Amino acid sequence: DVKVTQSSRYLVKRTGEKVFLECVQDMDHENMFWYRQDPGLGLRLIYFSYDVKMKEKGDIPEGYSVSREKKERFSLILESASTNQTSMYLCASSLLAGGPANTGELFFGEGSRLTVL
Amino acid sequence: SQKIEQNSEALNIQEGKTATLTCNYTNYSPAYLQWYRQDPGRGPVFLLLIRENEKEKRKERLKVTFDTTLKQSLFHITASQPADSATYLCALEDGGFKTIFGAGTRLFVKA
Repeated sequence: DVKVTQSSRYLVKRTGEKVFLECVQDMDHENMFWYRQDPGLGLRLIYFSYDVKMKEKGDIPEGYSVSREKKERFSLILESASTNQTSMYLCASSLLAGGPANTGELFFGEGSRLTVL
Repeated sequence: SQKIEQNSEALNIQEGKTATLTCNYTNYSPAYLQWYRQDPGRGPVFLLLIRENEKEKRKERLKVTFDTTLKQSLFHITASQPADSATYLCALEDGGFKTIFGAGTRLFVKA
């Protein structure tokens, strides 16, 4: 059974702390994504990666960085957490685009709910 | 920039009826459009994909239409059940590798 695993379901951090959110997928997918989800705003893309050591900014990268040292692992880093980064963070993976059989389906983890006090 | 709009108001329907959800997009011509289901506190789960050259796609009680002229997709659940209650998200590929999502529509099916 395919799986995307996020390291923590719930985190509480203080303003200014450095926060690491880890994501691991076991499907040998090339693409990995980090989204945040807020009420009324839906899922917004923070960063994505289509290969090891490659990263691309999404729509809201400010205040975040990412790391992809291994194909199966994609980490989201908040260098100095702020209260406006309180949110649900969702990691996803997918096959590389292309081919009629590829639906572009994203496989999501269960989410990490981060509260910054 | 590309924008996806879904009805932000929750949809309440009676069990057995057909639920119809709408997704409108602007400033883009996607090669395909996806629909996902999300339960509270969980990650979204992929349901269906419809390509630009397909007018309609069916999967069990689900039906999706795609009108590239209107820039609209409709998502139907026939013979709805309380277990269909969830948030339904529309998504499209924003060129390259990026998938962007609408904010979702919450569906409540009453027994």
